[in-house]
Amino acid sequence: AQTVTQSQPEMSVQEAETVTLSCTYDTSESDYYLFWYKQPPSRQMILVIRQEAYKQQNATENRFSVNFQKAAKSFSLKISDSQLGDAAMYFCAYLADGTDKLIFGTGTRLQVFP
Amino acid sequence: GAGVSQTPSNKVTEKGKYVELRCDPISGHTALYWYRQSLGQGPEFLIYFQGTGAADDSGLPNDRFFAVRPEGSVSTLKIQRTERGDSAVYLCASSLDRASTDTQYFGPGTRLTVL
Repeated sequence: AQTVTQSQPEMSVQEAETVTLSCTYDTSESDYYLFWYKQPPSRQMILVIRQEAYKQQNATENRFSVNFQKAAKSFSLKISDSQLGDAAMYFCAYLADGTDKLIFGTGTRLQVFP
Repeated sequence: GAGVSQTPSNKVTEKGKYVELRCDPISGHTALYWYRQSLGQGPEFLIYFQGTGAADDSGLPNDRFFAVRPEGSVSTLKIQRTERGDSAVYLCASSLDRASTDTQYFGPGTRLTVL
C-alpha cells in the first residue's frame, strides 16, 4: 500500500526567509503524481503545486518550488520569501496513475513570524 | 457557483442519529470525491463519483456510510446510526474529469460532531 510521511509536525520561519517542508512516500508504482496542498484555518484545501513523476524537472509556482528525488522517494516543498499569509497546514499527497484517490500525509503546521 | 460548497458548515448530532451532508461541486465537473479528516490527520478518501455512479467506494468505513449523486451534480453523504468516532471534518472535492489529469478543488468541509 502507498503511504505518505511528513516527519515535521510543525515548522516556523521568519517573514521574507526561506523554509523547506519534507515529505517522503512509499510506492511500487512507476507512474504517479505528487501534490502539496495548503489548508488555512478556513479548512479549504488549496492546491499549491503538482509534480508528475515522469517529469525530471522540478515544478515551480512563483515562490513555491519542489525538490523531487524519485529514487529516494522524496518530495520537499520550498517556500521562498515567506509571507504571513503562508501560515497554514501543508499536506503532501500522492496519486497513483489511473486511480482517483489522493493519499495524504499527516501535515506540517507552518508558522510565519514577522 | 465559483467553487465547491458544502452544507451545513457544522453539524452537531447525538449518537445513534442519522445525518446527511451535502456537496455542490463546481459546475461542469464530472468527478466528485468525499474525504474524511479526523483531528490532527490528513484527509482520508471515502468515495469517488464519475457522473452519477460511484466508481470507487473502497474508502467507506462500513455500511453505515452511503453516498449518492443522482443527477451527476450535487452529492449527499449519508451516515446512519452515528457513533462518536464519526466525528470529523468531511471534505468534498470535484474535478473536471479524472484526478490524474485535472486538479481536485476542495470545499470548506462540514465539521460533524457526534455527542
